[in-house]
Amino acid sequence: QKEVEQNSGPLSVPEGAIASLNCTYSDRGSQSFFWYRQYSGKSPELIMSIYSNGDKEDGRFTAQLNKASQYVSLLIRDSQPSDSATYLCAVISYGGSQGNLIFGKGTKLSVKP
Amino acid sequence: DVKVTQSSRYLVKRTGEKVFLECVQDMDHENMFWYRQDPGLGLRLIYFSYDVKMKEKGDIPEGYSVSREKKERFSLILESASTNQTSMYLCASSIGQGEFKWSNEKLFFGSGTQLSVL
Repeated sequence: QKEVEQNSGPLSVPEGAIASLNCTYSDRGSQSFFWYRQYSGKSPELIMSIYSNGDKEDGRFTAQLNKASQYVSLLIRDSQPSDSATYLCAVISYGGSQGNLIFGKGTKLSVKP
Repeated sequence: DVKVTQSSRYLVKRTGEKVFLECVQDMDHENMFWYRQDPGLGLRLIYFSYDVKMKEKGDIPEGYSVSREKKERFSLILESASTNQTSMYLCASSIGQGEFKWSNEKLFFGSGTQLSVL
């Protein structure tokens, strides 16, 4: 059973701090990695994707991937109250021509003013 | 922007009723998906479709069926609703072209249907 694990939180950080969200996955053959943000009562929205080891930055968001450790993280710099949401890690493994997307259960982030 | 539209935001049905959840996407995406989301269980894939009239079972297909007669529309059917099918149902689509034809990465979600079965 392929799994994606996240700490459910809640993770509470003060406004302006760096929020660090972590995710581990079980399938060493995984090739594509995503972070979705889900506000309370809303549907998930893709915010970051990363495919190779290292860091990928997009504005205040940085995704980090370490395939050797089977670990992917999301850093949010200068956290704002509007960043308060549940963050879902998702991982794809490719078998043949078909990919299988597996979601973690999400980490709830709360940014306090 | 991609728009994925689900026909109802809230739905209340009785046990044993047949329930139809409709989903329409307007960006000519090949792939469409139905998930349910429950507290503590996360997102679970019910069914997906990579082409018109084509369907594949996901992780939890029992008690559900789907229909895709047109590329833009993907319907989820609960043949005989039960209380354990009370959940948030999310439809999603993805491009599914080229290298990623068969993948379901970069999903675009609809706003969801909160179904209550009494």
